[in-house]
Amino acid sequence: DAKTTQPNSMESNEEEPVHLPCNHSTISGTDYIHWYRQLPSQGPEYVIHGLTSNVNNRMASLAIAEDRKSSTLILHRATLRDAAVYYCILRDWTAGNGNKLVFGAGTILRVKS
Amino acid sequence: EPEVTQTPSHQVTQMGQEVILRCVPISNHLYFYWYRQILGQKVEFLVSFYNNEISEKSEIFDDQFSVERPDGSNFTLKIRSTKLEDSAMYFCASVLAQTYEQYFGPGTRLTVT
Repeated sequence: DAKTTQPNSMESNEEEPVHLPCNHSTISGTDYIHWYRQLPSQGPEYVIHGLTSNVNNRMASLAIAEDRKSSTLILHRATLRDAAVYYCILRDWTAGNGNKLVFGAGTILRVKS
Repeated sequence: EPEVTQTPSHQVTQMGQEVILRCVPISNHLYFYWYRQILGQKVEFLVSFYNNEISEKSEIFDDQFSVERPDGSNFTLKIRSTKLEDSAMYFCASVLAQTYEQYFGPGTRLTVT
Protein backbone atom coordinates (compact mmCIF):
# COMPACT_ATOMS: atom_id res chain seq x y z
CA ASP A 1 0.00 0.00 0.00
CA ALA A 2 1.17 3.52 -0.78
CA LYS A 3 2.46 5.54 2.15
CA THR A 4 0.72 8.49 3.80
CA THR A 5 2.18 11.28 5.92
CA GLN A 6 0.22 13.04 8.65
CA PRO A 7 1.16 15.50 11.40
CA ASN A 8 1.72 13.80 14.75
CA SER A 9 -0.80 15.97 16.56
CA MET A 10 -3.16 18.91 16.19
CA GLU A 11 -5.22 20.96 18.57
CA SER A 12 -8.56 22.60 18.05
CA ASN A 13 -11.07 24.60 20.02
CA GLU A 14 -14.52 23.20 20.55
CA GLU A 15 -17.12 24.29 18.01
CA GLU A 16 -14.48 25.40 15.51
CA PRO A 17 -13.64 23.71 12.20
CA VAL A 18 -10.66 21.36 12.02
CA HIS A 19 -8.65 20.58 8.91
CA LEU A 20 -6.57 17.42 9.18
CA PRO A 21 -4.06 17.11 6.33
CA CYS A 22 -2.65 13.99 4.72
CA ASN A 23 0.06 13.72 2.08
CA HIS A 24 0.14 10.74 -0.25
CA SER A 25 2.47 11.72 -3.06
CA THR A 26 2.92 8.13 -4.31
CA ILE A 27 -0.80 7.42 -4.60
CA SER A 28 -1.76 5.26 -7.58
CA GLY A 29 -4.81 5.63 -9.78
CA THR A 30 -6.58 2.72 -8.10
CA ASP A 31 -6.07 3.88 -4.50
CA TYR A 32 -9.07 5.07 -2.54
CA ILE A 33 -8.37 7.53 0.28
CA HIS A 34 -9.93 6.33 3.52
CA TRP A 35 -10.12 8.04 6.90
CA TYR A 36 -10.69 6.20 10.13
CA ARG A 37 -10.50 7.43 13.68
CA GLN A 38 -9.91 5.76 17.02
CA LEU A 39 -11.49 7.23 20.09
CA PRO A 40 -9.73 6.49 23.40
CA SER A 41 -10.04 2.82 24.43
CA GLN A 42 -12.16 1.95 21.39
CA GLY A 43 -11.73 0.19 18.07
CA PRO A 44 -11.13 2.16 14.88
CA GLU A 45 -14.19 3.73 13.32
CA TYR A 46 -14.79 4.56 9.67
CA VAL A 47 -15.12 8.26 8.93
CA ILE A 48 -15.17 8.81 5.17
CA HIS A 49 -13.54 7.79 1.90
CA GLY A 50 -13.15 9.08 -1.63
CA LEU A 51 -11.38 8.54 -4.91
CA THR A 52 -11.19 11.81 -6.83
CA SER A 53 -14.09 14.09 -5.96
CA ASN A 54 -14.72 15.80 -2.65
CA VAL A 55 -17.08 13.87 -0.40
CA ASN A 56 -19.43 14.81 2.41
CA ASN A 57 -21.19 12.68 4.97
CA ARG A 58 -22.79 13.24 8.35
CA MET A 59 -19.46 13.00 10.15
CA ALA A 60 -17.07 14.98 7.98
CA SER A 61 -16.00 16.24 4.57
CA LEU A 62 -13.07 15.02 2.52
CA ALA A 63 -11.30 17.43 0.22
CA ILE A 64 -9.03 15.77 -2.34
CA ALA A 65 -6.41 17.75 -4.23
CA GLU A 66 -6.72 17.78 -8.00
CA ASP A 67 -3.50 15.78 -8.41
CA ARG A 68 -4.64 13.44 -5.59
CA LYS A 69 -1.28 13.77 -3.86
CA SER A 70 -2.89 15.17 -0.74
CA SER A 71 -6.23 15.30 1.01
CA THR A 72 -7.81 17.04 3.97
CA LEU A 73 -10.36 15.72 6.41
CA ILE A 74 -12.64 18.51 7.58
CA LEU A 75 -14.62 18.37 10.79
CA HIS A 76 -16.97 21.31 10.51
CA ARG A 77 -17.53 21.89 14.23
CA ALA A 78 -15.24 19.98 16.53
CA THR A 79 -16.72 18.63 19.73
CA LEU A 80 -14.97 17.07 22.70
CA ARG A 81 -16.17 13.71 21.39
CA ASP A 82 -14.05 14.22 18.25
CA ALA A 83 -10.83 13.95 20.25
CA ALA A 84 -9.24 10.86 18.75
CA VAL A 85 -6.43 9.55 16.58
CA TYR A 86 -7.26 10.11 12.90
CA TYR A 87 -5.79 7.79 10.31
CA CYS A 88 -5.47 8.49 6.60
CA ILE A 89 -5.18 5.18 4.73
CA LEU A 90 -4.88 4.33 1.06
CA ARG A 91 -6.64 1.22 -0.18
CA ASP A 92 -6.18 -0.24 -3.64
CA TRP A 93 -9.62 -1.28 -4.89
CA THR A 94 -8.07 -3.74 -7.32
CA ALA A 95 -6.33 -5.65 -4.53
CA GLY A 96 -7.26 -9.25 -3.90
CA ASN A 97 -9.67 -10.58 -1.35
CA GLY A 98 -7.49 -9.50 1.54
CA ASN A 99 -7.80 -5.73 1.22
CA LYS A 100 -6.45 -5.09 4.69
CA LEU A 101 -6.11 -1.67 6.27
CA VAL A 102 -2.55 -0.52 6.91
CA PHE A 103 -2.55 1.92 9.82
CA GLY A 104 0.16 4.49 10.38
CA ALA A 105 0.63 6.52 13.54
CA GLY A 106 -2.15 8.94 12.56
CA THR A 107 -2.80 12.42 13.90
CA ILE A 108 -3.78 12.85 17.54
CA LEU A 109 -6.51 15.49 17.62
CA ARG A 110 -6.98 17.30 20.90
CA VAL A 111 -10.10 19.43 21.34
CA LYS A 112 -10.11 22.17 23.96
CA SER A 113 -13.29 23.39 25.60
CA GLU B 1 -27.36 0.14 13.78
CA PRO B 2 -25.71 -3.29 13.42
CA GLU B 3 -22.39 -3.70 15.16
CA VAL B 4 -19.50 -6.10 15.56
CA THR B 5 -19.30 -7.62 19.02
CA GLN B 6 -16.35 -9.26 20.73
CA THR B 7 -16.00 -11.43 23.81
CA PRO B 8 -14.51 -11.37 26.31
CA SER B 9 -13.71 -7.71 26.79
CA HIS B 10 -10.66 -8.63 28.87
CA GLN B 11 -8.84 -11.95 29.05
CA VAL B 12 -6.00 -12.68 31.43
CA THR B 13 -4.00 -15.82 30.78
CA GLN B 14 -0.72 -17.39 31.76
CA MET B 15 2.13 -17.76 29.34
CA GLY B 16 1.87 -21.00 27.37
CA GLN B 17 -1.90 -21.27 27.69
CA GLU B 18 -4.28 -21.35 24.75
CA VAL B 19 -6.80 -18.55 24.30
CA ILE B 20 -9.74 -18.14 21.98
CA LEU B 21 -11.01 -14.68 21.20
CA ARG B 22 -14.52 -14.49 19.82
CA CYS B 23 -16.17 -12.10 17.42
CA VAL B 24 -19.64 -11.86 15.97
CA PRO B 25 -19.40 -9.90 12.71
CA ILE B 26 -22.29 -8.04 11.15
CA SER B 27 -24.62 -10.68 9.77
CA ASN B 28 -24.52 -10.03 6.01
CA HIS B 29 -20.82 -9.19 5.85
CA LEU B 30 -18.53 -11.40 3.81
CA TYR B 31 -14.97 -10.40 4.73
CA PHE B 32 -13.52 -10.71 8.21
CA TYR B 33 -10.33 -9.46 9.79
CA TRP B 34 -8.28 -9.56 12.97
CA TYR B 35 -6.01 -6.72 13.96
CA ARG B 36 -4.05 -6.13 17.10
CA GLN B 37 -2.70 -3.07 18.89
CA ILE B 38 0.04 -3.34 21.46
CA LEU B 39 -0.31 -0.59 24.07
CA GLY B 40 0.92 2.72 22.68
CA GLN B 41 1.63 1.31 19.21
CA LYS B 42 -0.04 1.20 15.81
CA VAL B 43 -2.96 -0.99 14.86
CA GLU B 44 -1.47 -3.99 13.02
CA PHE B 45 -3.15 -6.31 10.55
CA LEU B 46 -3.08 -9.99 11.45
CA VAL B 47 -5.30 -11.89 9.05
CA SER B 48 -8.18 -11.61 6.62
CA PHE B 49 -10.75 -14.32 5.96
CA TYR B 50 -13.15 -14.77 3.09
CA ASN B 51 -15.19 -17.67 1.81
CA ASN B 52 -14.10 -19.86 4.71
CA GLU B 53 -10.43 -19.50 4.12
CA ILE B 54 -7.57 -17.14 4.93
CA SER B 55 -7.06 -14.65 2.11
CA GLU B 56 -4.08 -12.84 3.56
CA LYS B 57 -1.98 -12.98 6.70
CA SER B 58 0.83 -10.91 8.13
CA GLU B 59 4.21 -12.03 9.43
CA ILE B 60 2.81 -11.79 12.94
CA PHE B 61 0.25 -14.49 12.15
CA ASP B 62 2.53 -17.50 12.59
CA ASP B 63 1.75 -21.13 13.38
CA GLN B 64 0.62 -20.20 16.89
CA PHE B 65 -2.37 -18.37 15.47
CA SER B 66 -5.43 -19.77 13.75
CA VAL B 67 -8.84 -18.47 12.74
CA GLU B 68 -12.14 -20.18 12.29
CA ARG B 69 -15.72 -19.42 11.42
CA PRO B 70 -17.26 -22.43 13.11
CA ASP B 71 -20.96 -21.80 12.72
CA GLY B 72 -21.59 -19.07 10.15
CA SER B 73 -21.91 -16.35 12.75
CA ASN B 74 -18.91 -16.46 15.06
CA PHE B 75 -15.36 -15.70 13.93
CA THR B 76 -12.62 -16.79 16.30
CA LEU B 77 -8.93 -16.16 16.76
CA LYS B 78 -6.99 -18.84 18.61
CA ILE B 79 -3.54 -18.43 20.03
CA ARG B 80 -2.20 -21.89 20.86
CA SER B 81 0.57 -21.08 23.30
CA THR B 82 0.52 -17.47 24.42
CA LYS B 83 3.67 -15.43 24.95
CA LEU B 84 4.16 -12.26 26.96
CA GLU B 85 4.46 -10.29 23.72
CA ASP B 86 0.97 -11.38 22.67
CA SER B 87 -0.43 -8.95 25.25
CA ALA B 88 -2.43 -6.43 23.23
CA MET B 89 -5.87 -5.27 22.20
CA TYR B 90 -7.29 -7.54 19.53
CA PHE B 91 -9.86 -6.07 17.18
CA CYS B 92 -12.16 -7.95 14.89
CA ALA B 93 -13.56 -6.23 11.81
CA SER B 94 -15.99 -7.13 9.08
CA VAL B 95 -16.99 -5.63 5.78
CA LEU B 96 -19.76 -6.22 3.27
CA ALA B 97 -17.56 -5.96 0.20
CA GLN B 98 -13.91 -5.25 -0.46
CA THR B 99 -14.05 -1.55 -1.18
CA TYR B 100 -16.54 -0.75 1.55
CA GLU B 101 -15.74 0.50 5.02
CA GLN B 102 -14.65 -1.94 7.71
CA TYR B 103 -16.65 -2.12 10.91
CA PHE B 104 -14.57 -2.77 14.00
CA GLY B 105 -15.55 -4.36 17.26
CA PRO B 106 -14.72 -2.86 20.64
CA GLY B 107 -11.75 -5.17 21.09
CA THR B 108 -10.55 -7.80 23.55
CA ARG B 109 -7.73 -6.84 25.85
CA LEU B 110 -5.45 -9.84 26.20
CA THR B 111 -3.03 -9.82 29.10
CA VAL B 112 -0.45 -12.60 29.24
CA THR B 113 1.31 -13.01 32.59
